[in-house]
Amino acid sequence: GESVGLHLPTLSVQEGDNSIINCAYSNSASDYFIWYKQESGKGPQFIIDIRSNMDKRQGQRVTVLLNKTVKHLSLQIAATQPGDSAVYFCAENALYNNNDMRFGAGTRLTVKP
Amino acid sequence: EPEVTQTPSHQVTQMGQEVILRCVPISNHLYFYWYRQILGQKVEFLVSFYNNEISEKSEIFDDQFSVERPDGSNFTLKIRSTKLEDSAMYFCASTASGRGGSYEQYFGPGTRLTVT
Repeated sequence: GESVGLHLPTLSVQEGDNSIINCAYSNSASDYFIWYKQESGKGPQFIIDIRSNMDKRQGQRVTVLLNKTVKHLSLQIAATQPGDSAVYFCAENALYNNNDMRFGAGTRLTVKP
Repeated sequence: EPEVTQTPSHQVTQMGQEVILRCVPISNHLYFYWYRQILGQKVEFLVSFYNNEISEKSEIFDDQFSVERPDGSNFTLKIRSTKLEDSAMYFCASTASGRGGSYEQYFGPGTRLTVT
């Protein structure tokens, strides 16, 4: 079946470096994507979203890139800080079809001081 | 900042017992959701709720599950007869708008359900 998945289960970076977390999706009907951050013992926290009519969206220190041709989504975190250490999930949805978000498995980001 | 709250934080129950997980969504939100996350696995959608009825549900949300908004502030998930495989973290979420709108979901901290 169609699914959302992540390329890398773990990522370790030095404080101050940029981080890139990747996600592949296979549902061609998906038109809305979200990146979530989940810290240990907490619920997912919305970071940034992007609709399929865009290929790039920037927030504070974060950028999401969407490549619909290869069904690939990435999250870039600039100047990664220890507080960025968490599991990052991508999620996808076909907004005009349903309300349920389909989550990827997650990538654990560890920031070394 | 407004937040979604959930109680209890941890619930231990015996197999076959009924459990009710409670959530208080953000007060001006209109769409409500339950998700679950089995330890070490993906977050999985269970159900969405709008205008006092279920709008979507997943294959996980079978007849053992039900949701209710009994009093205009609480949003509950009931599992009628728990099974061992129901052990998971259950997250409630809410959004101000749903289909076609901004989908910024606010998640609660979760309830860890342990079925023994």
